[in-house]
Amino acid sequence: SQQGEEDPQALSIQEGENATMNCSYKTSINNLQWYRQNSGRGLVHLILIRSNEREKHSGRLRVTLDTSKKSSSLLITASRAADTASYFCATEEVGGAQKLVFGQGTRLTINP
Amino acid sequence: DTAVSQTPKYLVTQMGNDKSIKCEQNLGHDTMYWYKQDSKKFLKIMFSYNNKELIINETVPNRFSPKSPDKAHLNLHINSLELGDSAVYFCASSQGHLSYEQYFGPGTRLTVT
Repeated sequence: SQQGEEDPQALSIQEGENATMNCSYKTSINNLQWYRQNSGRGLVHLILIRSNEREKHSGRLRVTLDTSKKSSSLLITASRAADTASYFCATEEVGGAQKLVFGQGTRLTINP
Repeated sequence: DTAVSQTPKYLVTQMGNDKSIKCEQNLGHDTMYWYKQDSKKFLKIMFSYNNKELIINETVPNRFSPKSPDKAHLNLHINSLELGDSAVYFCASSQGHLSYEQYFGPGTRLTVT
């Protein structure tokens, strides 16, 4: 079953602007991860945030996690054309089958 | 050096055929996975092996059989291919099977005609 749902499904912004993507999930989790997929490529891990963490940064990426609302957001600041990709959240459920469950992704397009 | 590699990258075959996809990782990871990504980009786990032992087997038709000859390899054999098997199949690996980031291969695009 699908756990995470990303919002929006597609986002188009101008280079230099910030991009925010949201992920909602349904059950208690151990951690939540964000991945990027460029067209025709495999997924690349961006950030892992554990259930006891609220915010994490990596370069131009900022991830927040609100376990009370069962939601996470990924912020990409000062976007670049190279950030054009699909972004997926994935959750590892508490007491689950030790697997990641992926959302359907947000397609981000950065216009030059 | 490629961390997670898959062969072939493209596979076009007819219904009813049997095919295999190979995966190798040189990261020294203990856990490997097979995922299927459909035309809507929805990614779903199929199998997971930890130290050559099967730990996740989702509701996948038994026409799909994974084989892990050693920790660095996880192959996927598919019997009697059907049109609905057309998808991109990704291999991935991680250091452990809980709370670790996963490293994905480039994918194998399977087209069944």
